[in-house]
Amino acid sequence: NAGVTQTPKFRVLKTGQSMTLLCAQDMNHEYMYWYRQDPGMGLRLIHYSVGEGTTAKGEVPDGYNVSRLKKQNFLLGLESAAPSQTSVYFCASSYRGLRETQYFGPGTRLLVL
Amino acid sequence: GDSVTQMEGPVTLSEEAFLTINCTYTATGYPSLFWYVQYPGEGLQLLLKATKADDKGSNKGFEATYRKETTSFHLEKGSVQVSDSAVYFCALASQPNFGNEKLTFGTGTRLTIIP
Repeated sequence: NAGVTQTPKFRVLKTGQSMTLLCAQDMNHEYMYWYRQDPGMGLRLIHYSVGEGTTAKGEVPDGYNVSRLKKQNFLLGLESAAPSQTSVYFCASSYRGLRETQYFGPGTRLLVL
Repeated sequence: GDSVTQMEGPVTLSEEAFLTINCTYTATGYPSLFWYVQYPGEGLQLLLKATKADDKGSNKGFEATYRKETTSFHLEKGSVQVSDSAVYFCALASQPNFGNEKLTFGTGTRLTIIP
C-alpha cells in the first residue's frame, strides 16, 4: 500500500516550457487535490476532482490544467511555465470531501528559470 | 471569507518543555478543524481533528480543543521531544455554499526542539 505517490520529485524548467506532474493513489479515494506550497503562504488549492472524469477550480487555478481520466490518477499540467510557478506541489486524496482526512504525497519541487 | 491565523514561528524549545501553538479562525457556519504536521522532506499528515464545538482531538500526546466562543483551536503538548521538530499547520474545512466545500490552511509554524 503506497498511499499517494508523486512523479517527479524535482524538476527544473525554462520559462515557456511545459510539463505534467503525475499523482497516483491506491486507496480508492474519490476526491483528489493539487496544492502549491509557497513560503509564508501555507497551502493553496489549485484544482481538485470529486471523481473520475470530473475536475474543478480551486483558489489559484490560472496557468494550470488538470485531468482525471482514471480514478487513481490526477495529472497537473503547466502549458507554459512561468517563474511565478516555482513552488512545491503537493497532491492529496480523501475518501469523500474536504472535511475528511486528506492524505498527502511527498511533493514535487519545481524550479522555473 | 474564511481565514486561519497561526502563531508565527519559528518556535524553539528544549526537550520536555510544554508546547502551545496558537490558532484562531474566522468562518461561516460550522467548520471542522485540523492540525496537520509536515516533517522535513515529507508531505503533510493529519495530526488531529475536531468536527464540532467542545470536541477535543488528540494524537501522539498532542491535544487541541475546538472553542467556538473564542474561535480557537490551539495545539498543546505537555512534554515535547526532538522527534516533534516539524512544521505544524492549522486548517479549517467549511461549506460556505451548498455543494461547495473549502479547506483553508494557516501559514504554518516551524517548531525546533533542542536536546
